[in-house]
Amino acid sequence: SQQGEEDPQALSIQEGENATMNCSYKTSINNLQWYRQNSGRGLVHLILIRSNEREKHSGRLRVTLDTSKKSSSLLITASRAADTASYFCATDEYPSNTGKLIFGQGTTLQVKP
Amino acid sequence: DAGVIQSPRHEVTEMGQEVTLRCKPISGHNSLFWYRQTMMRGLELLIYFNNNVPIDDSGMPEDRFSAKMPNASFSTLKIQPSEPRDSAVYFCASSLTTVNTEAFFGQGTRLTVV
Repeated sequence: SQQGEEDPQALSIQEGENATMNCSYKTSINNLQWYRQNSGRGLVHLILIRSNEREKHSGRLRVTLDTSKKSSSLLITASRAADTASYFCATDEYPSNTGKLIFGQGTTLQVKP
Repeated sequence: DAGVIQSPRHEVTEMGQEVTLRCKPISGHNSLFWYRQTMMRGLELLIYFNNNVPIDDSGMPEDRFSAKMPNASFSTLKIQPSEPRDSAVYFCASSLTTVNTEAFFGQGTRLTVV
């Protein structure tokens, strides 16, 4: 079953604009992670936010986490054509420490040059 | 480290044939995961191992699917007999078995069953 549900399913923006993707999940978590997948490739880890954190930054990425609403958002600022990819949120299951991750359906981002 | 290595990258087989997908995790990682990705169902966790032991195989769709991890550096996912609906991209991922750790994915095996 899907733990994370993402919104929107698809997003198309112009280069230089910001892109915001949202993720909702169902159960208690230790952390929430965001991954990126280029067409035909494997998933690549972007950022991890722990359940006791509310916001985290990495370069042009900003992630927020609201555990009361069981939701997260990924903001990509000043987007580039190279950011075109699918983005997935993934959650583990508290209190498990196996590293097992359940992924959402993903948001497909297209950045037009 | 070369990362998670999967083979083959592409596999085309006829319905009814046995298919074996292979995975070499990152050295030192003690958790290994097999995922299947399709347009309709997204990324599904099939099975995961911890220290070579299968922990949860509830995602394995049918008895036609089996997975093994004979040692810390090798795992296989076998489909016997294969069916057209098994066509998908199969990913292997590995991680450390600790809280708050990321998973490292292989490039995937694109399986087509005709």
